[in-house]
Amino acid sequence: GAGVSQSPSNKVTEKGKDVELRCDPISGHTALYWYRQSLGQGLEFLIYFQGNSAPDKSGLPSDRFSAERTGGSVSTLTIQRTQQEDSAVYLCASSDLLASVQFFGPGTRLTVL
Amino acid sequence: GQQVMQIPQYQHVQEGEDFTTYCNSSTTLSNIQWYKQRPGGHPVFLIQLVKSGEVKKQKRLTFQFGEAKKNSSLHITATQTTDVGTYFCAEPNTGNQFYFGTGTSLTVIP
Repeated sequence: GAGVSQSPSNKVTEKGKDVELRCDPISGHTALYWYRQSLGQGLEFLIYFQGNSAPDKSGLPSDRFSAERTGGSVSTLTIQRTQQEDSAVYLCASSDLLASVQFFGPGTRLTVL
Repeated sequence: GQQVMQIPQYQHVQEGEDFTTYCNSSTTLSNIQWYKQRPGGHPVFLIQLVKSGEVKKQKRLTFQFGEAKKNSSLHITATQTTDVGTYFCAEPNTGNQFYFGTGTSLTVIP
């Protein structure tokens, strides 16, 4: 079946604008993760959704970042009033509750000018 | 946020040489995962280790989980250019969540 998909693949925006990044997880996967990866760096955990439970937002760097997951499937990561330091690749991953192996999407490369 | 320590951060090897990356945690782990990220790509799952002292092999790759379940290693025998990329370990936090290591970037010189 289809893997994790993300859109857009690239996003260039001006400082101060809001952006929305979308993630379509693998069908049936109950867990969904968002990570941020700056150039040449590791994966920074942002937020985690598990089924209908309250999301773990402990990794969100500021209140400009928010995410939601509708109907237990598609997720949207929103960054308000973007700053240049928000420039990075934003990766989404999903996993089956039992397996816990994470399947990553191709990422969205965000550039804030 | 929490990050797992990996060493080395970078490794350059001649093609045919061996390569090892180490992952260390301050806590006893229930399990540990390894992922590979090719340049310009996204992380791809390689393996999960669960048992104390466990050793698993995938062709030229050997994965070990320490006896105390606090460290793990990935060893590649006779590296090839296709091995180029960054290797991450990931350790569980709460529930189904994992924290990724800082990664080891491998360059293979032909």
